[in-house]
Amino acid sequence: EVQLVESGGGLVQPGGSLRLSCAASGFTFSSYEMNWVRQAPGKGLEWVSYISGSGSTLYYADSVKGRFTISRDNARNSLYLQMNSLRAEDTAVYYCARMLGILDYWGQGTLVTVSS
Amino acid sequence: LPVLTQPPSASALLGASIKLTCTLSSEHSTYTIEWYQQRPGGSPQYIMKVKSDGSHSKGDGIPDRFMGSSSGADRYLTFSNLQSDDEAEYHCGESHTIDGQVGWVFGGGTKLTVL
Repeated sequence: EVQLVESGGGLVQPGGSLRLSCAASGFTFSSYEMNWVRQAPGKGLEWVSYISGSGSTLYYADSVKGRFTISRDNARNSLYLQMNSLRAEDTAVYYCARMLGILDYWGQGTLVTVSS
Repeated sequence: LPVLTQPPSASALLGASIKLTCTLSSEHSTYTIEWYQQRPGGSPQYIMKVKSDGSHSKGDGIPDRFMGSSSGADRYLTFSNLQSDDEAEYHCGESHTIDGQVGWVFGGGTKLTVL
């Protein structure tokens, strides 16, 4: 059974940093592209970042470029999102999602709240 | 980049039919979109992909009473015999590669209420 479990969310002050993790199981992690997608409270979905299976290709939404860094450790079946210079508008539930053309599996999400 | 527009809410009676709409920006009217279901408190789940010709491909376990179709820049998700379990937020999304960069855009979502 495919499982994606996010962790690392919490309350952080504006300008602070946070590192999210996504633990994957039930499939060959290194064979799949992965994404982070977020959802602000009461809002729609917003794509954040993409990483290829090998980790060599990375893409970011303009709203997070230069502040967030996506990475993966295929030996640990884990996906990461390092978030720096956090802003109030980064407050959201962050989901990791497996990509097979479509986003076919999503984690349960982890809440990040940026507030003083 | 494409812009996807969805009405914020929709409602229908239990057992009835309803069609949800996702409208692509005019210059992107031939694009393929995906529909995702998000039940209250849950995470999104892939439902189906809908192409500009109206053809669609569903995810595993999606009931036959969920159908996709298209007309111009509009992409539809139609439910027949609406069930209480269908009450959820429905998001349309589009993946693209522009200048070699992969990305996704989503509509604002439609909250479906089953009366």
